[in-house]
Amino acid sequence: QKEVEQNSGPLSVPEGAIASLNCTYSDRGSQSFFWYRQYSGKSPELIMSIYSNGDKEDGRFTAQLNKASQYVSLLIRDSQPSDSATYLCAVRTGNNRKLIWGLGTSLAVNP
Amino acid sequence: NAGVMQNPRHLVRRRGQEARLRCSPMKGHSHVYWYRQLPEEGLKFMVYLQKENIIDESGMPKERFSAEFPKEGPSILRIQQVVRGDSAAYFCASSTGDNSPLHFGNGTRLTVT
Repeated sequence: QKEVEQNSGPLSVPEGAIASLNCTYSDRGSQSFFWYRQYSGKSPELIMSIYSNGDKEDGRFTAQLNKASQYVSLLIRDSQPSDSATYLCAVRTGNNRKLIWGLGTSLAVNP
Repeated sequence: NAGVMQNPRHLVRRRGQEARLRCSPMKGHSHVYWYRQLPEEGLKFMVYLQKENIIDESGMPKERFSAEFPKEGPSILRIQQVVRGDSAAYFCASSTGDNSPLHFGNGTRLTVT
């Protein structure tokens, strides 16, 4: 099992819909969880950090963390074509403190 | 500009030359990471440094690649005797410490001809 897994997609949603992106991780001791957005040819851009169980909202973005089930998700409400990008999940493991990256989920928001 | 600064943005080198990539972290950040990315592929960790110390270089090829983060000045990723396979985007990121998120620079696109 990979340490951090994401569905590669592409995930296609219509404009205005909710996009749901999921990430699972293997290290139960992981403590820090991050979502990044990367447009083609650009560098990753931090969207959200989440450290404790539950939901964290920031504008149209909501991160959800469930440590018991070892998953973290990102919801994008009212999706816009400008949200079309690759979304990367990163997890700071508990054992050796390394930051492990998923391979990303490609999101396409169709007008 | 308070962000992570990388230069140059684009670098072209002939096979066998040296490439030097520079990264100035965000103000107040003392942790620097270097990543490499090929088109349509994921981020590949190379090295993690703090001032004057290499913390983790497990992702760095054993030969031709080196990195430093001196007490004064930017972090440098150095690739000696470049080969075509070194062509990639190299991203630098910085953070304030263990649990804090990484902030990325715009990257250096290296092309080896």
